[in-house]
Amino acid sequence: EVQLVESGGGLVQPGRSLRLSCTASGFTFGDYAMTWVRQAPGKGLEWVGFTRSRAYGGTTQYAASVKGRFTISRDNSKSIAYLQMNSLKTEDTAVYYCTRVKGSALIAAGWFDPWGQGTLVTVSS
Amino acid sequence: QSVLTQPPSASGTPGQRVTISCSGSSSNIGGNTVNWYQQLPGTAPKLLIYSDNQRPSGVPDRFSGSKSGTSASLAISGLQSEGEADYYCAAWDDSLNGWVFGGGTKLTVL
Repeated sequence: EVQLVESGGGLVQPGRSLRLSCTASGFTFGDYAMTWVRQAPGKGLEWVGFTRSRAYGGTTQYAASVKGRFTISRDNSKSIAYLQMNSLKTEDTAVYYCTRVKGSALIAAGWFDPWGQGTLVTVSS
Repeated sequence: QSVLTQPPSASGTPGQRVTISCSGSSSNIGGNTVNWYQQLPGTAPKLLIYSDNQRPSGVPDRFSGSKSGTSASLAISGLQSEGEADYYCAAWDDSLNGWVFGGGTKLTVL
């Protein structure tokens, strides 16, 4: 069974850092792009960023709202994707979901399946 | 403000057919495929429709997707109470170089 499990969420003060992990199982992790999506309380979904598959060097892209503060990385040997969040702001408070990108080699034609259960990050003093 | 525009709410009675729209532009829906996600209350989103109109295995054929120009639609026929959820459209945006979502539509079964 394909499964994604996020961990690492919690309460953190503004300006501090936090690292989330996404542990994958049930598929060849390195063959897929992985993405992070967040959802602020009572709000809609917002794409955060992604890391390409091993074949494409694991390169990354980010949403403008987090670029320069967040970094996505991956360890294909452990089947884990990471989201390093620095200089956190109160508006970063959200449930963070990890998802696998399925579809063709063209990333723009991909879709998110499955999704993890999410981990809550609360940024507050 | 979301890049893709969805109505905030929709409703219908059991057995009815409802449609949820998703409006974008040439840089997203107009040039790339659209995916739809269903989020039941208190749960993570789940893939409902991919590549404009394809259903993953396990998704009932009551759900269908379509696209025309810079707009897409999700149709749900034979509405059931289990269909009460938030529905999101999403597409890659060539100008933003990333995925964009609609603001979500809360479907209520009356």
